[in-house]
Amino acid sequence: AQSVTQLGSHVSVSEGALVLLRCNYSSSVPPYLFWYVQYPNQGLQLLLKYTSAATLVKGINGFEAEFKKSETSFHLTKPSAHMSDAAEYFCAVTGPGGGNKLTFGTGTQLKVEL
Amino acid sequence: DTGVSQNPRHKITKRGQNVTFRCDPISEHNRLYWYRQTLGQGPEFLTYFQNEAQLEKSRLLSDRFSAERPKGSFSTLEIQRTEQGDSAMYLCASSLDEQVSGYTFGSGTRLTVV
Repeated sequence: AQSVTQLGSHVSVSEGALVLLRCNYSSSVPPYLFWYVQYPNQGLQLLLKYTSAATLVKGINGFEAEFKKSETSFHLTKPSAHMSDAAEYFCAVTGPGGGNKLTFGTGTQLKVEL
Repeated sequence: DTGVSQNPRHKITKRGQNVTFRCDPISEHNRLYWYRQTLGQGPEFLTYFQNEAQLEKSRLLSDRFSAERPKGSFSTLEIQRTEQGDSAMYLCASSLDEQVSGYTFGSGTRLTVV
């Protein structure tokens, strides 16, 4: 079975500071990994995905993530936080063993302060 | 590309009533997924269709839940004899090739059972 663990259910940063949201995965097969963002009362928007190509993945809105197999991690970063980044972020995994369905982490609520 | 459309956006129902939700996926996407999300949690997989065939059902999908995708186009999710524990956001997603396009989510249907 595949799973992801998101460390820190709430993260608070100052506007302009580095954003780091942590995600560790468990998978017995090469995973596909995704980061999604969710604004209140809305669906999920894809930020970026890793599907076995380049290990450093660039996404929308200035976010990027690096796949590190040795650490089983896929942390999400952004060099400079903006107020509009305040939202909930979900890491998710699928792959050949996942039957195509996504398995999500419990989410990290990002707060951006002035 | 009009995205994934879900209707209704909100539904309030009395305990014991039946409800039905609809999802219209992106037209060329052959895979369709239903997820349930409760407050403060990540989305949980419910069921998955490839074209009109329902290929996987979660143990979360009790006998009161049924999903269909006639003709491999739109899908419906019906909950019979609703219970307060069914209150959640129900999300639909569609995909063509997860490695290339990822999964596109709709805005969800928020169900409140009173």
